[in-house]
Amino acid sequence: QKEVEQNSGPLSVPEGAIASLNCTYSDRGSQSFFWYRQYSGKSPELIMSIYSNGDKEDGRFTAQLNKASQYVSLLIRDSQPSDSATYLCAVHSGGGADGLTFGKGTHLIIQP
Amino acid sequence: EPEVTQTPSHQVTQMGQEVILRCVPISNHLYFYWYRQILGQKVEFLVSFYNNEISEKSEIFDDQFSVERPDGSNFTLKIRSTKLEDSAMYFCASGAGGPEETQYFGPGTRLLVL
Repeated sequence: QKEVEQNSGPLSVPEGAIASLNCTYSDRGSQSFFWYRQYSGKSPELIMSIYSNGDKEDGRFTAQLNKASQYVSLLIRDSQPSDSATYLCAVHSGGGADGLTFGKGTHLIIQP
Repeated sequence: EPEVTQTPSHQVTQMGQEVILRCVPISNHLYFYWYRQILGQKVEFLVSFYNNEISEKSEIFDDQFSVERPDGSNFTLKIRSTKLEDSAMYFCASGAGGPEETQYFGPGTRLLVL
């Protein structure tokens, strides 16, 4: 059974600070890792993808992957109130048409 | 920017009725997916579709579910005899495939079974 674990929160961060979101996964064979943002009642929106160990930066977002520890994280720098949402970690086994396995998400609140 | 579209946005049905949820994937994508999210719970994979056939399906995707690509643009999910526990948001997603495997989600259909 593939599992993706996230702290459900809420995680409260002051505006302008760094928000740090974490995720662990159980399937050591997982190949691709994604962070999606989901506003209440809306669909998941892709924020970042990462496939190799290390850091990947895109604007205010940095994804970090450590396959040995089966750990993925997302850092959001200069947090804005509009970043307040649920952040979903998703994992893909790498096989052709496999579905994504999602965590339950971390509810992030950016305090103005 | 191309995006996945879904219709209807909301659907209310009586238990035991059949519903068809429709999706138009991104045009150059080859892989199509359905997911569901029961209120307050995580997004769950239902089924993937490639080359006009089901590629993978989860335990949730039992005999009451079916998928079809009736033409070159639409991708449908049919629930034959709806149950109360089928009430959820249903998301269609599509992807180009390849090593990145990124999947892009549509806005969803909120299904309520009474």
